[in-house]
Amino acid sequence: NAGVTQTPKFQVLKTGQSMTLQCAQDMNHNSMYWYRQDPGMGLRLIYYSASEGTTDKGEVPNGYNVSRLNKREFSLRLESAAPSQTSVYFCASSEAQMVGYTFGSGTRLTVV
Amino acid sequence: QKEVEQNSGPLSVPEGAIASLNCTYSDRVSQSFFWYRQYSGKSPELIMSIYSNGDKEDGRFTAQLNKASQYVSLLIRDSQPSDSATYLCAVRAGGSARQLTFGSGTQLTVLP
Repeated sequence: NAGVTQTPKFQVLKTGQSMTLQCAQDMNHNSMYWYRQDPGMGLRLIYYSASEGTTDKGEVPNGYNVSRLNKREFSLRLESAAPSQTSVYFCASSEAQMVGYTFGSGTRLTVV
Repeated sequence: QKEVEQNSGPLSVPEGAIASLNCTYSDRVSQSFFWYRQYSGKSPELIMSIYSNGDKEDGRFTAQLNKASQYVSLLIRDSQPSDSATYLCAVRAGGSARQLTFGSGTQLTVLP
């Protein structure tokens, strides 16, 4: 099984450009999450989807939008990229409330 | 006050020693606690979960939880150079919450 697949792995954007980060899981998990990781800041939750058809804001949602396309896929969109969005983005999924996440391999995004 | 606090380190221990990693959390109703290991440039990997007070052992790893003191720790016995990584503490709040809040991580180096 592939687990959680994120694309692309690397991306360089110019300020103001838009892009969508893709995430898909093949574990039939209900819940999916988007985090960003910055040096010294740990992982911060951007958005999450507790189940298909629902999405909720996390700690740092400004500048991002999400779509839970179906049970497998959860995308993150940057409408107008800013240098402050330079980060490593991780998608994760989980089956139930009491278990941990499975993470994707991450997307390293640089906004210049 | 950050919700999940970890000593950022770096923490250095000699090979074969016990490494002790600590984490405190602020939300008294937190129910689930996790330790993730993250190698440089890689995604976090779940290594331990603990839900009730006391100790939980898995191989060389022992997680300890004290809900009264809002404290969770990870002990790594017989530390190996391959244990050198950043260790992330994660906490899930009570109720219907599914999302995890992460600490900023403790960098561990095991010296040969």
